[in-house]
Amino acid sequence: DGGITQSPKYLFRKEGQNVTLSCEQNLNHDAMYWYRQDPGQGLRLIYYSQIVNDFQKGDIAEGYSVSREKKESFPLTVTSAQKNPTAFYLCASSIDRGGSDTQYFGPGTRLTVL
Amino acid sequence: DQQVKQNSPSLSVQEGRISILNCDYTNSMFDYFLWYKKYPAEGPTFLISISSIKDKNEDGRFTVFLNKSAKHLSLHIVPSQPGDSAVYFCAARGDGGTGRRALTFGSGTRLQVQP
Repeated sequence: DGGITQSPKYLFRKEGQNVTLSCEQNLNHDAMYWYRQDPGQGLRLIYYSQIVNDFQKGDIAEGYSVSREKKESFPLTVTSAQKNPTAFYLCASSIDRGGSDTQYFGPGTRLTVL
Repeated sequence: DQQVKQNSPSLSVQEGRISILNCDYTNSMFDYFLWYKKYPAEGPTFLISISSIKDKNEDGRFTVFLNKSAKHLSLHIVPSQPGDSAVYFCAARGDGGTGRRALTFGSGTRLQVQP
């Protein structure tokens, strides 16, 4: 049963703490992405990775960090430098071999910083 | 600077009628467009896509139209069903030569289909 999993579904952290969100895919996709959604807004790109051991900043990378040590995994760390970390975080993946390249999303993690 | 715009935050239609969701874009380098459906607290679900070399793509009740000269695309749902009630996001991809293949999303349109 292939897909993208994100854990946990809900996450609470105290202000000033770093927190890592998990994203795993078993679709054998090369590319993975992290987006953030705030109320009433579209999805904004945080980081993306087109291949293992390589990643690029998106539009709102400040205060976030990622790693891509394995093809299946793309964890996102929300650091204490992120000024407004409370949001809904979505991970996606795609084949990324040119042409029609649909991204498929995980169920999301809602992070609340208290 | 919003490169993908969905100017209608909400839309309400009667069951059985047509739903038309609109999306405008400004970046002429976009080469692939997608529509996603999203329920609260869930990830977006892919609905339908269209390449910039086409002007129409149809999949069952869903049809996407692309007008490149106007930089406009629309999603038609016929007939609309109560289960279609959700937020619909328009997304576009185009790297402008940078190699970036991530999507740029609109802000979404909440569709409500009344029984």
